Amino acid sequence: LAKTTQPISMDSYEGQEVNITCSHNNIATNDYITWYQQFPSQGPRFIIQGYKTKVTNEVASLFIPADRKSSTLSLPRVSLSDTAVYYCLGPKRRGGFKTIFGAGTRLFVKA
Amino acid sequence: GAGVSQTPSNKVTEKGKYVELRCDPISGHTALYWYRQSLGQGPEFLIYFQGTGAADDSGLPNDRFFAVRPEGSVSTLKIQRTERGDSAVYLCASSLRMRDNDSYEQYFGPGTRLTVT
Repeated sequence: LAKTTQPISMDSYEGQEVNITCSHNNIATNDYITWYQQFPSQGPRFIIQGYKTKVTNEVASLFIPADRKSSTLSLPRVSLSDTAVYYCLGPKRRGGFKTIFGAGTRLFVKA
Repeated sequence: GAGVSQTPSNKVTEKGKYVELRCDPISGHTALYWYRQSLGQGPEFLIYFQGTGAADDSGLPNDRFFAVRPEGSVSTLKIQRTERGDSAVYLCASSLRMRDNDSYEQYFGPGTRLTVT
């Protein structure tokens, strides 16, 4: 099954904008691109989802280029509480339901 | 409303024993997923239920693992003859539905930490 590629870790400072890019070269026409956040000792939490161009909610923005082979999660003005692991979900096999998380990106926000 | 709950939160068992892990999904969610997460890794898909039936069990590692959802709500993950390599956090998630070509949002429980000694 297709996998995603994203940085293993990133560092940032409070107040900065953080952009995490994920490659998903084998994404299918009908696949959505979904990002989750996970804090230690908790289950993942849905952040944002999109199909193309740009999606924005109260937490983040998601930028998807026309070829949809990558996506960028943008966190505006991060705080210490944004320190977490961020997962870009891999495409599902057509006709299947297997959700692929990958290893994620560990974001460390410093004061 | 209540989120996804999982019991127990921690389970320590001896190698070779049988364990059951329970998941209570959000009321009204027809889709239910089980994942396994090892330290430093992302969640690994195990099985997906749509209603009472397992629509995709391709992630179950071997025949020692089995899951049921007899009434379409609560689910139990069963592990026979546990091995030390089964030690992990087992996560359950539910969603309203999941179609092949539709978007979905999964709501996760806090997980059950299983330790096999």
